[in-house]
Amino acid sequence: SAVISQKPSRDICQRGTSLTIQCQVDSQVTMMFWYRQQPGQSLTLIATANQGSEATYESGFVIDKFPISRPNLTFSTLTVSNMSPEDSSIYLCSVEDMAATEAFFGQGTRLTVV
Amino acid sequence: DAKTTQPNSMESNEEEPVHLPCNHSTISGTDYIHWYRQLPSQGPEYVIHGLTSNVNNRMASLAIAEDRKSSTLILHRATLRDAAVYYCILSPLSGTYKYIFGTGTRLKVLA
Repeated sequence: SAVISQKPSRDICQRGTSLTIQCQVDSQVTMMFWYRQQPGQSLTLIATANQGSEATYESGFVIDKFPISRPNLTFSTLTVSNMSPEDSSIYLCSVEDMAATEAFFGQGTRLTVV
Repeated sequence: DAKTTQPNSMESNEEEPVHLPCNHSTISGTDYIHWYRQLPSQGPEYVIHGLTSNVNNRMASLAIAEDRKSSTLILHRATLRDAAVYYCILSPLSGTYKYIFGTGTRLKVLA
């Protein structure tokens, strides 16, 4: 199994600012993903964080708004840039553990933009 | 990616069995059926997965229709701790765990 630590767990931010969310895994993993969960909604995949190359973004998400870093096999960051109230959501990190047959999710970062 | 359809919500009495249905009529031959659940204020957690045959683990059972166009997650004895949103997700055999989440079923367990 993989244990994921996300920081911060929650934050309240001013519109127009940026927030960087960290995802740390206790073991090396091949794939890391970032999801967004808007209030009362299901999860939506933002991007795949690729180690050593640019992230792969899903339709509707762009690098300028959600820059992602993946410097090694255990760590990734997601930045929410130039925030607006519409960015208020829970952001979750997920990893694929190739030794198992399941995905693991962090507890999420609850972001409120005021 | 093939889509799944689940009821928005279900209720169950505590210690009763619960059958959570999922329709996936456009499933391909290489799609695995995964179930995850999301407890309040937590990230999703794995429940069970299968390809063709019924599967059992310590948490639940997964019954897969012969034509694979539907499946049912079975919780044998619901407890209050099982109250969560349950997601049925299809993932290709050769794919990664890049999941497309549907709306899920919110399970309410009554004491």
